[in-house]
Amino acid sequence: EADIYQTPRYLVIGTGKKITLECSQTMGHDKMYWYQQDPGMELHLIHYSYGVNSTEKGDLSSESTVSRIRTEHFPLTLESARPSHTSQYLCASSESQGVPYEQYFGPGTRLTVT
Amino acid sequence: GQSLEQPSEVTAVEGAIVQINCTYQTSGFYGLSWYQQHDGGAPTFLSYNALDGLEETGRFSSFLSRSDSYGYLLLQELQMKDSASYFCAVRDRNYGQNFVFGPGTRLSVLP
Repeated sequence: EADIYQTPRYLVIGTGKKITLECSQTMGHDKMYWYQQDPGMELHLIHYSYGVNSTEKGDLSSESTVSRIRTEHFPLTLESARPSHTSQYLCASSESQGVPYEQYFGPGTRLTVT
Repeated sequence: GQSLEQPSEVTAVEGAIVQINCTYQTSGFYGLSWYQQHDGGAPTFLSYNALDGLEETGRFSSFLSRSDSYGYLLLQELQMKDSASYFCAVRDRNYGQNFVFGPGTRLSVLP
């Protein structure tokens, strides 16, 4: 059973607000990821981290930022939300050794910006 | 860059066998994964192929041909609970060995 958590599960906010989406995992995984997924569409990697103090942008341009101060925690922040940010945000983690190709996903945060 | 193609929808009946194909284009291929995602749920890992051939895990099998840039997911003895979206994902050297996901195939299993 994967132990990766995301909060909130659903969020409706107004344009211009600053928000932080939380993601935590208890598996001790070094690698963590943020994906954006619109309904019925593919997942797009927007940020990833190979460990503490390591963050990289993914293949989809995003106005969000991330931090990795602790191994288990990988929050994503939007400084000023816009309607174009409306989407589902999925956090995932994987091992860096052993089975690095198996990603464990959190339940997602469904964000609506009005 | 890279691109992946999958059929958008597949329909089959309970007990049948269905094959979901995935073709990809990338210069940095490292491996091919498959994920299942039910409506409103999170993707869950099904399989990973780095070498040519067939990998079997219970009712699900995954195949890879690197020379053809092609793979497929085979689902046998279909059950209603298999109705979901299925994504192939290429692990790509050009992207730090991260995964690029295909557009997904929506499988509907009918009684």
